[in-house]
Amino acid sequence: QVQLQESGPGLVKPSETVSITCSVIDGSVSSFYWSWIRQSPGKTLEWIGYISYSGITKYNPSLKSRVAMSVDTSMNQFSLKLTSVTAADSAVYYCARHWSSSWDSWGQGTRVTVSS
Amino acid sequence: DIQMTQSPSSLSASVGDRVTLTCRASQSIGRYLNWYQQKPGKAPKALIYAVSSLQSGVPSRFSGSGSGTEFTLTINGLRPEDFATYYCQQSYIDTTFTFGGGTKVEVK
Repeated sequence: QVQLQESGPGLVKPSETVSITCSVIDGSVSSFYWSWIRQSPGKTLEWIGYISYSGITKYNPSLKSRVAMSVDTSMNQFSLKLTSVTAADSAVYYCARHWSSSWDSWGQGTRVTVSS
Repeated sequence: DIQMTQSPSSLSASVGDRVTLTCRASQSIGRYLNWYQQKPGKAPKALIYAVSSLQSGVPSRFSGSGSGTEFTLTINGLRPEDFATYYCQQSYIDTTFTFGGGTKVEVK
């Protein structure tokens, strides 16, 4: 059973860039597509975008100008960068694996707080 | 974006009850509809994909139905571990994937 493990900075200052990595454990990043999804406190879930093992990406248009995703097959992980963050970007960020047009495996999430 | 609307936003039920949750899409999404369960402080857990297919390991008391714009998730014989928030999500081709606002199933 594949496991996903996010790692992030926890606290980021406004206008800075947040980088989060998702490690794929007991599975290979070199298959499937991989997504980032976030959840602001008390809110619903928001899909940020996905990346394939070969580097194909698709981003949510609402975040597209600030998002970049990458995949590192040698490290068996993929990453999210979100630039020019504001308080509205404070959320729990999840990585997840695509399977049959859904997400069948999720990481436990990493909380990002944007504050000076 | 395709808007997903869930109703009710919350409901109270007892162990053993049959519970039905509804999800409506702002346009037809065929059968590109998935359901997730989330407990406080935890990541969402995949329950159902493509309207009615159970994810591996999901108990058969969960079932899904619908097509087009209206979908339901039914829990037959609610168990204590089923009290949680349930989200629907559409994955229609070439769209921005979106979630509903969630339905919280609480103890009556």
